[in-house]
Amino acid sequence: DAGVIQSPRHEVTEMGQEVTLRCKPISGHNSLFWYRQTMMRGLELLIYFNNNVPIDDSGMPEDRFSAKMPNASFSTLKIQPSEPRDSAVYFCASSRSTSGKNNEQFFGPGTRLTVL
Amino acid sequence: QKEVEQNSGPLSVPEGAIASLNCTYSDRGSQSFFWYRQYSGKSPELIMSIYSNGDKEDGRFTAQLNKASQYVSLLIRDSQPSDSATYLCATNSGNTPLVFGKGTRLSVIA
Repeated sequence: DAGVIQSPRHEVTEMGQEVTLRCKPISGHNSLFWYRQTMMRGLELLIYFNNNVPIDDSGMPEDRFSAKMPNASFSTLKIQPSEPRDSAVYFCASSRSTSGKNNEQFFGPGTRLTVL
Repeated sequence: QKEVEQNSGPLSVPEGAIASLNCTYSDRGSQSFFWYRQYSGKSPELIMSIYSNGDKEDGRFTAQLNKASQYVSLLIRDSQPSDSATYLCATNSGNTPLVFGKGTRLSVIA
C-alpha cells in the first residue's frame, strides 16, 4: 500500500515568493495533519482536517500560512509570502481518525523548505 | 497546556545492552500512547502503540505504561547501532490530535 505522499521533497525559494506544499494521504484515512519540524521547536502541529474539514488551525504561525483540503485525497499548505524563518521540514501525516485505536498517525517523507 | 516531556539526550548505550527511554505527560485524560523512531533526515516512523497499563512487547521493543504515574517508557533489548535515532513519544486524549515530545536521541555504540 502506498504511504503518505508529499511533494516536492525539497524546495529552495527566495524570500517573498509563494510556496505550495502538497500531500496525498493514505487511502481510507479521514484525518490529515500538517506539521513543521525544526531543531529549536521540534515537531509542531500546524493544522489538521477531519473528513476534509479544517478542525484546528491554531498552530498556523501567521496569516501568511494557509491550508486546504479540497477532497479526501489531496491537501495543500501554502506560504505567501515566504520568509527565511519559514525554513524547516514540513510533514504531512494521516490517520483513520483522531479517536480510539484508529488514531495512529503515519507520516509522509516531508518537504525540506529553504527560504533564502 | 498539554505537555509531553522527554530527556533530549543523547542517551549512549553499548551494543547489546538495553536502552531505556522515558516519557512523562501532563494530561491525565490521555488514552493513547505512541513511540516513533526518526532517523536523521527522515520522517517519524511509528514503532509502538499502547493503550492499557502494563507492558506490550513487539520483538526487541517493549512499551510500558503507568497511567497513575503518567509515564510511558520504551525498552530496546539487544540494542544495535541501527537503533541509533531520535525517539519521539506522543499521546492524545479523546478526539484530539497527538501531542509529541521533543524526542530523545539514542546512540548505540558498537
